[in-house]
Amino acid sequence: NAGVTQTPKFRILKIGQSMTLQCTQDMNHNYMYWYRQDPGMGLKLIYYSVGAGITDKGEVPNGYNVSRSTTEDFPLRLELAAPSQTSVYFCASSYGLGTGVSGNTIYFGEGSWLTVV
Amino acid sequence: AQTVTQSQPEMSVQEAETVTLSCTYDTSESDYYLFWYKQPPSRQMILVIRQEAYKQQNATENRFSVNFQKAAKSFSLKISDSQLGDAAMYFCAYRSYNNNDMRFGAGTRLTVKP
Repeated sequence: NAGVTQTPKFRILKIGQSMTLQCTQDMNHNYMYWYRQDPGMGLKLIYYSVGAGITDKGEVPNGYNVSRSTTEDFPLRLELAAPSQTSVYFCASSYGLGTGVSGNTIYFGEGSWLTVV
Repeated sequence: AQTVTQSQPEMSVQEAETVTLSCTYDTSESDYYLFWYKQPPSRQMILVIRQEAYKQQNATENRFSVNFQKAAKSFSLKISDSQLGDAAMYFCAYRSYNNNDMRFGAGTRLTVKP
């Protein structure tokens, strides 16, 4: 099973450049998420989506944009990259609310390491 | 907003011994879910164990078990018969029953000594 797949795994960006992190899941999950993990820290939610066409901000949305045109895909766009965006980014998915602990378990991709220089 | 606290930045255990990782959380909700994730050096987030708040029975998964104390808002992870492959960062996480966010603690780095 592929699960949640993110690309690229590694990327170096120059300050001011833009890029898109791709994410796709094959588990037919309604909910998808983007988290970032700074060194030595836990994960913080950037954006999430509860279904195609619906997105909402998380804890740290500034400098990012998302879209959700299909159930499977949830790309994250970084506009005008800044050194503060150097982090590991995780895409994740789950079934959603009201589906018990199994449905509320979030499954993660392998992470994308981004460095902004 | 809910917060999750892991008070032990680092822990160490001898191979084959038992270790307990602490987690406390702050919430005013009565229904929620709690999770432990393992993050090895590869950085992948791997689900270890999960618990529904309304269930009093502690969850177990092979060598991993939790001690869930709802009144104390505590959710500790016990690893029995520790193995070298258990060495990783461990994150405690809280998910509300009614919204979409999952809150993570700062993590505990577990070292397993041969």
